[in-house]
Amino acid sequence: KQEVTQIPAALSVPEGENLVLNCSFTDSAIYNLQWFRQDPGKGLTSLLLIQSSQREQTSGRLNASLDKSSGRSTLYIAASQPGDSATYLCAVSPGGTSYGKLTFGQGTILTVHP
Amino acid sequence: EAGVVQSPRYKIIEKKQPVAFWCNPISGHNTLYWYLQNLGQGPELLIRYENEEAVDDSQLPKDRFSAERLKGVDSTLKIQPAELGDSAVYLCASSSIPGSEQFFGPGTRLTVL
Repeated sequence: KQEVTQIPAALSVPEGENLVLNCSFTDSAIYNLQWFRQDPGKGLTSLLLIQSSQREQTSGRLNASLDKSSGRSTLYIAASQPGDSATYLCAVSPGGTSYGKLTFGQGTILTVHP
Repeated sequence: EAGVVQSPRYKIIEKKQPVAFWCNPISGHNTLYWYLQNLGQGPELLIRYENEEAVDDSQLPKDRFSAERLKGVDSTLKIQPAELGDSAVYLCASSSIPGSEQFFGPGTRLTVL
């Protein structure tokens, strides 16, 4: 059974700092990995999707990397802003007939203070 | 382009009462998912649809939960009867094809008293 772990559980940083969120998964036979953010009381917003054949994806100040063989992904946020404060979730999708069945980590609660 | 729409946003009911949640996916998305999210946890898949067909409902507690997706567009998730432990956020998501990027709705927060 796939298990996804996110470290740290919570992170508080001053505005402007670069930061890294970590995600690890136990079964490397994944189809893709997706990073989301979730604001309090809201649904999930997709940030980046990395296919299993890719090493990284970038969107603005966000960069996500994937090391499938070691079961790890990182989300790098450059020049953090208070508006980045949210819970960040990573999720992996298996291959085969179960692709799309996302397994989520518990999330990292990020607080960026002015 | 409109995102995934869910209603109601909030629902408070007494235990043993029935409740239903509605989801309208992004136009053209054939794959629809229902997830359950408990406080402080990541979402867990309940059921996945490809068009009208439920292709993965292994996580759906079928004794009290049911779902349907008539005409392969809108979907309804029902709980009857609700129990205290069903209090959670119910999220709907859709994707254009299986395994592609999933887009989530705002969720329905259910409180069972």
